[in-house]
Amino acid sequence: GAVVSQHPSWVICKSGTSVKIECRSLDFQATTMFWYRQFPKQSLMLMATSNEGSKATYEQGVEKDKFLINHASLTLSTLTVTSAHPEDSSFYICSAGEPGGGSTEAFFGQGTRLTVV
Amino acid sequence: AQSVTQPDIHITVSEGASLELRCNYSYGATPYLFWYVQSPGQGLQLLLKYFSGDTLVQGIKGFEAEFKRSQSSFNLRKPSVHWSDAAEYFCAVSRGGGGNKLTFGTGTQLKVEL
Repeated sequence: GAVVSQHPSWVICKSGTSVKIECRSLDFQATTMFWYRQFPKQSLMLMATSNEGSKATYEQGVEKDKFLINHASLTLSTLTVTSAHPEDSSFYICSAGEPGGGSTEAFFGQGTRLTVV
Repeated sequence: AQSVTQPDIHITVSEGASLELRCNYSYGATPYLFWYVQSPGQGLQLLLKYFSGDTLVQGIKGFEAEFKRSQSSFNLRKPSVHWSDAAEYFCAVSRGGGGNKLTFGTGTQLKVEL
């Protein structure tokens, strides 16, 4: 199946700093990628839909100014957590599917464990 | 809006015993249904999926699931559980294929007793 690579797999940062997480589709082009967030022992909640060449679509309650999403190419989407605080500590995971209905499944990255201290 | 319910938060089974994890969905049309497994600190691995055709689908690692439209269910089963199956299991629904967002259930934590 297709491969989605996410980097870094874990990161520790200080409060007030920004952290960038990358999501790459390695062997296919993804016009749309999705960013999810998972708190400990909870389910995955969709944060936003990343659209290549246009603005991301954020889910209700997600601060677009805090979670900046850029989808500058067909193989790369980035999520930047700005001015991070301890409550932003979470597991962030991206997914992508081949466009045009070519795949019936979403392919997930390995996830990024963010810890803000 | 689509939604997924996994009624069981935790399940404990003995190794070698059979397993059934429940999943109910709410969706206006025929959904795309998925089961994923997540080991601690890891990403998601697809076990199986259903979008049309035979309502009994076979997946990896000996798992299967049955789509029952009348019950809005997509329960996951395995005839004989192995200790390595201990993990978190998520049921998810989508209105389309891989290019569409997923709505996840709350997950079921499976513990396997030796």
